[in-house]
Amino acid sequence: QKEVEQDPGPLSVPEGAIVSLNCTYSNSAFQYFMWYRQYSRKGPELLMYTYSSGNKEDGRFTAQVDKSSKYISLFIRDSQPSDSATYLCAMSDQAGSTLGRLYFGRGTQLTVWP
Amino acid sequence: DTAVSQTPKYLVTQMGNDKSIKCEQNLGHDTMYWYKQDSKKFLKIMFSYNNKELIINETVPNRFSPKSPDKAHLNLHINSLELGDSAVYFCASTPGTGGKLFFGSGTQLSVL
Repeated sequence: QKEVEQDPGPLSVPEGAIVSLNCTYSNSAFQYFMWYRQYSRKGPELLMYTYSSGNKEDGRFTAQVDKSSKYISLFIRDSQPSDSATYLCAMSDQAGSTLGRLYFGRGTQLTVWP
Repeated sequence: DTAVSQTPKYLVTQMGNDKSIKCEQNLGHDTMYWYKQDSKKFLKIMFSYNNKELIINETVPNRFSPKSPDKAHLNLHINSLELGDSAVYFCASTPGTGGKLFFGSGTQLSVL
C-alpha cells in the first residue's frame, strides 16, 4: 500500500466551478501537508502549505487537513483556465528538518475549460 | 535569475550510453534533491544532499551516481543507460522548513 493515495483523474470542469481535490494517507506521523501545482513541461511549484490539522486559505485556494481521518483536500473556487495543471499532494513527517523527505501523491490532472 | 536551474532540458540517447545532468540553485539552500517522475506523474525521491553530504539514498541502481561539488550544485551521472531510465528528472532544493521544495524545470530523458 502506498503511503499517499490520490485519484489521478483526469478532472474536467467548466470555468467558475468549485474544484475539490483529495488525498488520503496511512502514516499518522505526517505533520506537514502541501499541495504542489505542476504545469505541463514544468517543475512542481508549492501552492499551499499546512501544518497539522485545520484550514488554510489563500485567495481562491483553501487547503484542509483532517488528521483524524488521514485526509487532506484542496478547494479551488471560481476556477479559471489558468488553473489547468496537475495538482500533487505531498506530506512530511519531519518537523522543520532539512533531512526530511516528502511523500507525494500521484497527482490529479485538472482541466478548466472556458 | 532562475532559482533552481538544471541542464539539459532534453536528453535523447542510446541504450548503454553514459550521461550527466547538472543542477544549480542560487537560493542559498543547504539541501538539494534528485527526484524521478515517471510517465504517470509519480514523483519519487532518489537522493538528497545536505551541504555536500549524502543523506538520503533510496533504492536506486548504482548506475546512478550523484555528486555535489558544493552546496549550490548537485549533478547526476547515469552509467549504462537502460530503456527503463526514461523519465523526467527533477532537481530540487529546500530551505529546510518542514519540506517546502523548490523544483527545477526538469530534464526529459529518453533512452532509445
